[in-house]
Amino acid sequence: DIQMTQSPSSLSASVGDRVTITCRASQSISSYLNWYQQKPGKAPKLLIYAASSLQSGVPSRFSGSGSGTDFTLTISSLQPEDFATYYCQQSYSTPRITFGQGTRLEIK
Amino acid sequence: QVQLVQSGAEVKKPGASVKVSCKASGYTFTSYYMHWVRQAPGQGLEWMGIINPSGGSTSYAQKFQGRVTMTRDTSTSTVYMELSSLRSEDTAVYYCARDIEYSSSWSLYNWFDPWGQGTLVTVSS
Repeated sequence: DIQMTQSPSSLSASVGDRVTITCRASQSISSYLNWYQQKPGKAPKLLIYAASSLQSGVPSRFSGSGSGTDFTLTISSLQPEDFATYYCQQSYSTPRITFGQGTRLEIK
Repeated sequence: QVQLVQSGAEVKKPGASVKVSCKASGYTFTSYYMHWVRQAPGQGLEWMGIINPSGGSTSYAQKFQGRVTMTRDTSTSTVYMELSSLRSEDTAVYYCARDIEYSSSWSLYNWFDPWGQGTLVTVSS
């Protein structure tokens, strides 16, 4: 199975900060990488698909980049509603999809 | 609008089975594959398997082979996930999620959207 490793596992930031979360695949996955946001007690919500495409309705402060094994999710200016846990997901080996372990974004 | 509505919380004893349902609405049920993903308390997301609502074919994660069965009822646009021989480690929220497939140039991309609201399954003696 393809292993996905996110870093950091958690981070603290303030409203207005620029934040970057990294996801690394154990082998090249081209751009078959998606990002999800999950708030406590809620289902995950799609933010970015195919590494860099913004899902409809998602604010433009979210962006994704990368290809091969290294990917990033960037939030350009944190808003209060962005404090959540973020997961990357590889679909290279679909349907045997795997997720990163998650990055918890907390208020500083 | 596209919606996936799951059945309610369950409490089961070790060794029992649980069957969770996921009712789809707002789209053509047989046109999209459906995944099941689980999340143990305070943990990450774990893919369990996928079902094709059209023909009923399935593919399961190796970890769950022999214990999980995914089925569908096209008359009610509902998919089911049954997990048997439950143990305490199976305590988790179980989600269904629709598979979206997108073709671009020479590539075929997949992602999950939307997800059901989740069903908490508690395994306790």
